Amino acid sequence: EPEVTQTPSHQVTQMGQEVILRCVPISNHLYFYWYRQILGQKVEFLVSFYNNEISEKSEIFDDQFSVERPDGSNFTLKIRSTKLEDSAMYFCASSGDKANYGYTFGSGTRLTVV
Amino acid sequence: GDSVTQMEGPVTLSEEAFLTINCTYTATGYPSLFWYVQYPGEGLQLLLKATKADDKGSNKGFEATYRKETTSFHLEKGSVQVSDSAVYFCALRGDYSGTYKYIFGTGTRLKVLA
Repeated sequence: EPEVTQTPSHQVTQMGQEVILRCVPISNHLYFYWYRQILGQKVEFLVSFYNNEISEKSEIFDDQFSVERPDGSNFTLKIRSTKLEDSAMYFCASSGDKANYGYTFGSGTRLTVV
Repeated sequence: GDSVTQMEGPVTLSEEAFLTINCTYTATGYPSLFWYVQYPGEGLQLLLKATKADDKGSNKGFEATYRKETTSFHLEKGSVQVSDSAVYFCALRGDYSGTYKYIFGTGTRLKVLA
């Protein structure tokens, strides 16, 4: 079964550093998403991406964050100047049809900011 | 705005017991509704979905019926197994053009004892 692949599975970074979280969505999917889950809390929407541009973003997704699809396969989330409160599990997801299908999520990247 | 409310966990059951996890939602129009499951150390997996009123989603013995009149999408299983131990998330996708995001409930942890 096709999978969404995320790397790394766990990243530790110093406060103030920049991190890039990487995702390889399912190859024929067109819609891409990032969500985050702070430990013990709900899964929160960050951003959706379609046709090489952001289609929707939450209030969490401020200037500290950016997304990019640098080639035909990767989808990245960049977090600049990380803060302690950015520590969370970050999930990438993709879908082929925004209307009716559920997403396929990756297994997540656990980001720890120290 | 749209929201999802799930029953608080954890829920602890004996093997073969009946499971109900309540989920209610607030949304305009006719959102699509989903249940996701997160096993320990893993990402989110789509369990089942329903896209219109009175639809019943089912998978792996789990069922949920989209009830517009009570704005509910309760998850049920007739006989749980130890392997069902996980966190279950109810989610909705809004029914208005241009939105792609899912809104998740806080999750309900299920623990099944042998």
